[in-house]
Parts: sequence; structure tokens; C-alpha cells
Amino acid sequence: NAGVTQTPKFQVLKTGQSMTLQCAQDMNHNSMYWYRQDPGMGLRLIYYSASEGTTDKGEVPNGYNVSRLNKREFSLRLESAAPSQTSVYFCASSEGPASDTQYFGPGTRLTVL
Amino acid sequence: EDKVVQSPLSLVVHEGDTVTLNCSYEVTNFRSLLWYKQEKKAPTFLFMLTSSGIEKKSGRLSSILDKKELFSILNITATQTGDSAVYLCAVGHNFNKFYFGSGTKLNVKP
Repeated sequence: NAGVTQTPKFQVLKTGQSMTLQCAQDMNHNSMYWYRQDPGMGLRLIYYSASEGTTDKGEVPNGYNVSRLNKREFSLRLESAAPSQTSVYFCASSEGPASDTQYFGPGTRLTVL
Repeated sequence: EDKVVQSPLSLVVHEGDTVTLNCSYEVTNFRSLLWYKQEKKAPTFLFMLTSSGIEKKSGRLSSILDKKELFSILNITATQTGDSAVYLCAVGHNFNKFYFGSGTKLNVKP
């Protein structure tokens, strides 16, 4: 039981490049989330998917897109990376309304030069 | 605007001390309040609170929620160096969104 997995663990991009962060969970959870965490700050919600087939914007969605590929997988895409997107990105999942406990992946450290 | 505010931002104590961490919130459609511990990696779950006045306990950690005054506290008694971490408070919204505070950084010295 791997829980929540994320790839890659580290990534360096140049301004304007694109990339996709992958996330998968094996807990049969309905809801999945993407957060970013900047130094000295808490987590800010980028996008979330309350259930398979739905996605919604969080607090800081600009510059990002998401895809809920199936119940297990939720990807985050940066179409044209900017230095302001340098951050640590966490994916999380939860059962949904039945339980708000979120389980987090190990994170992706992204640097945009 | 929905927000979660934690205090203090940082705290330095010695082993054996008792600490109280605070979390206040202004979130419409409140559904739950959660506490997480983060030690240089992913946050790990501590407590979920949904009802006022009911204390949740796990070993030396305990937490309680006041939905009238819109705050929660996390207590840690007999602190140990292994308690050193950032403690995050999050509020769950009825539409499956979550708002996190900026965290309290706890440093427990031997």
C-alpha cells in the first residue's frame, strides 16, 4: 500500500518551459488536491477534484491546469513556467465528505530559473 | 475572504515544557478543523475536529474546538525534541476545499 505517490521528486525548469506533475493514490479515495508551499508559509490550494470527473479552482489556480485522469490519478500541468512558480508541490487525497483527513504525497521541489 | 490564522508563528521551549498552539478561522460553510505535523517533508495527520467542546487526545497531544469563538488549540505536554516541527491548522469547507494557516514552528531544546 503505497498511499500517495508523486513524480518527479525534483525538477528544474527554465522560464517558459512546460511540465506535468503526476500524482496517484491507491486508497480508493474520492477527492484529490494539489497544493503549493512556499518558504515560511502554509499550504495553498491550487486545484482540487472532489470526485472523479470533476475539478475546481482553489486559491491560486493561475498558471496551472489539472486533469483527473481516473479515480487514482490527478495531474498538475504548468504550461509556461515562471519563476514565481518555484515552490514545493504536494498532492493529497481524502475519502471526501465522509472524512476530511488528507494523506499527502512526498512532494515535488520545483525550481524555475 | 476565508482565512486561517495561527499563532505564535514560532516557539522555542525546553524539553518537559507544555505548549499551546492557537488557530483562529473565518471560513464560511465550515465543516471541519484539522491539525497536521510537518517535519521537513509531507504533513502528517494529527486530529480532526468537527464539534465544539469535545477534546481529542493522542498521547501527549490534545486538541479542542470552539465553533462559537472560531478557534482551536493544540496542546502538547511534556514536550520532547521529537516534537520539533511545523504544526499546521487547516479548515475544511463544505465544498471540499481546505484552507491552511501559515503554521507554528516549534523548536524543543534538550
